[in-house]
Amino acid sequence: DIVMTQSPDSLAVSLGERATINCKSSQSVLFSSNNLNYLTWYQQRPGQPPKLLIYWASTRASGVPDRFSGGGSGTDFTLTISSLQAEDVAIYYCQQYYDLPYTFGQGTKVEIK
Amino acid sequence: EGQLVESGGGLVQPGGSLRLSCAGSEFTLSNHAMTWVRQAPGKGLEWVSSISGSGGGTFYAGSVQGRFAISRDNSKNTVYLQMNSLRDVDTAIYYCAKDGVVGDNPQGYMDVWGKGTTVTVSS
Repeated sequence: DIVMTQSPDSLAVSLGERATINCKSSQSVLFSSNNLNYLTWYQQRPGQPPKLLIYWASTRASGVPDRFSGGGSGTDFTLTISSLQAEDVAIYYCQQYYDLPYTFGQGTKVEIK
Repeated sequence: EGQLVESGGGLVQPGGSLRLSCAGSEFTLSNHAMTWVRQAPGKGLEWVSSISGSGGGTFYAGSVQGRFAISRDNSKNTVYLQMNSLRDVDTAIYYCAKDGVVGDNPQGYMDVWGKGTTVTVSS
């Protein structure tokens, strides 16, 4: 199984400041035939189901504010919130869909400092 | 945008069975693979099972292989998860989610999620 490891486990950021979450996979999730990274990011607010933020590592889902951006390739990825808003308080998960079983990172909790 | 509504959760004794349902509205589920993901209390997300749009392909996590069965009835726009031989560790919120790509085979990222149904396995 591909192991997904996120860092940090939690972070506290001031409103309007940048938040960066890292995600590392135990093997590459870049499919060479189409040059796509099979990596997605979800946001889970308290008491809510997960919400798709980013897919193919860097494509924002419909309706997602442009302060959210995804980057990276191969085994190392980042989710950046450029200017943290109060509604961004949540747990963020990365997930690989390169191979079954699909696996998630352990989650990163983002709070307001 | 369409929505997914799960049902069928509840309290069951170890060794018991439950069948979860996931009904879709405002989109045609047969155009998409579907997935069940669970979340144990206070824990992260765990992929459980996926099914192709036609129902011809089914995929399972090792932890549920042989105990759970995913199926779908496209005429009812509904996906099911039959859970047998339930264990304490199966206690979780079970989410149904739609594959983000139109097609038969699962692509693996989920763009629409239901609110979940809670399964509690306890004596």
